[in-house]
Amino acid sequence: GAVVSQHPSWVICKSGTSVKIECRSLDFQATTMFWYRQFPKQSLMLMATSNEGSKATYEQGVEKDKFLINHASLTLSTLTVTSAHPEDSSFYICSARDRGGGELFFGEGSRLTVL
Amino acid sequence: EDQVTQSPEALRLQEGESSSLNCSYTVSGLRGLFWYRQDPGKGPEFLFTLYSAGEEKEKERLKATLTKKESFLHITAPKPEDSATYLCAVQETSGSRLTFGEGTQLTVNP
Repeated sequence: GAVVSQHPSWVICKSGTSVKIECRSLDFQATTMFWYRQFPKQSLMLMATSNEGSKATYEQGVEKDKFLINHASLTLSTLTVTSAHPEDSSFYICSARDRGGGELFFGEGSRLTVL
Repeated sequence: EDQVTQSPEALRLQEGESSSLNCSYTVSGLRGLFWYRQDPGKGPEFLFTLYSAGEEKEKERLKATLTKKESFLHITAPKPEDSATYLCAVQETSGSRLTFGEGTQLTVNP
């Protein structure tokens, strides 16, 4: 299957700092990428949908000024958690769909811990 | 609003003991139903996509089936390495997003 790479796989930061997570589709072009958040023993919660070259669409209750999403190319989307606080600590997962509109492939996830 | 309910929440099997996981869904129009496997601390790994009632797909010890209201993931003679959380998700015809169920945590004991 297609490969989606996420970086970093884990990050620890101090409260008030900003953290950027990258999501790359390695062997296909992704017109649409999705960002999810997952709490322990819970399912994936969709945060936002990003389309290449346009603004991201955020789910209800997700602060767009806090979670900045940029989808600058067909192979790269970034999620920036701005002014992170301990409650932002979570597992963030990106996914990408290829231009053919087929299956959704997921990255390995990024564990964020805010101290 | 799309709804996906998975059962049971957790399932413990002995190696070789076959069983099934259930995914019940409510969607205005189904574009696809997806099964994923997720290991602890990892992103979901794609298993199957089912598009229409009556469709079946197999991969090694796993077989997924679909009706108009639910999907089953059958596990035949499971091995300890099949232990994981299995996630079901639906995509409706009018959108691109997936709606996930809460998952079934499967443990296979040797």
